[in-house]
Amino acid sequence: NAGVTQTPKFQVLKTGQSMTLQCAQDMNHEYMSWYRQDPGMGLRLIHYSVGAGITDQGEVPNGYNVSRSTTEDFPLRLLSAAPSQTSVYFCASRDRGLTGNTIYFGEGSWLTVV
Amino acid sequence: AQKVTQAQTEISVVEKEDVTLDCVYETRDTTYYLFWYKQPPSGELVFLIRRNSFDEQNEISGRYSWNFQKSTSSFNFTITASQVVDSAVYFCALSERGYGQNFVFGPGTRLSVLP
Repeated sequence: NAGVTQTPKFQVLKTGQSMTLQCAQDMNHEYMSWYRQDPGMGLRLIHYSVGAGITDQGEVPNGYNVSRSTTEDFPLRLLSAAPSQTSVYFCASRDRGLTGNTIYFGEGSWLTVV
Repeated sequence: AQKVTQAQTEISVVEKEDVTLDCVYETRDTTYYLFWYKQPPSGELVFLIRRNSFDEQNEISGRYSWNFQKSTSSFNFTITASQVVDSAVYFCALSERGYGQNFVFGPGTRLSVLP
C-alpha cells in the first residue's frame, strides 16, 4: 500500500534555485495539502487543494506554487529558494465528503537551502 | 479562529512511568474533530486517534488513553507504563466542520522516555 509518496526525501539547494517537490497519492483522495514543519512551530499549511483544478493558499504560501492537474498528484514548487525555506515538508491527503476524515501524511522531504 | 496549544515543549520520564501530554484547543464551531499524531525519530507522522466533538467518551487503546473534556476545551493523552519506543514528538490537531477545512496543529510535545 503506497499511500502518500513524496520525492525527494532529501535535497540541498542553493539560494535562488528552483525545484519541485513531488507528491502522489493512490487512495483517490480529493483533498491534498502541503505543510512545512519547523522547530517549535508544529506544522503550518502552505497550500491545499480540494480537487483537481482547484488550489488555495494556506497560512504560509509565499515563495511556493502548486497545481493540481490530476487527483493523484500535487507538486509543490519553490520558485527561488531562500534559506528561510529550509524545513521539512509534508504532503498530506484525505477523503472528500466526510469532514474530519483522517489525514494521511507522506514520509516528509528534508530541504536545506544554503 | 481555531488554535491548538500544547504547553509542554519537552517531557522526560523514566521507563514504566505514566505520562500525560496536554492539549488545549480553541474553536468557535460546535462541530469539530480532534486528533493526535506521533512523530518518531524517523520523522514520519503516525495517526493515533480521532475524536469528534459530540463524543466525549474517553478512549483507551492498550497503554494509550485519551481524555476529552469540552468544558475545559482539552484533549489530553496519557501513556501508561511508558516505554523507550514511546519517545517521539506528539502533535495534537484540530479540524473544523466543512469539507476543505484544514487541520491546525499544535507545536508538539517532545517526549523522551529514558531506560
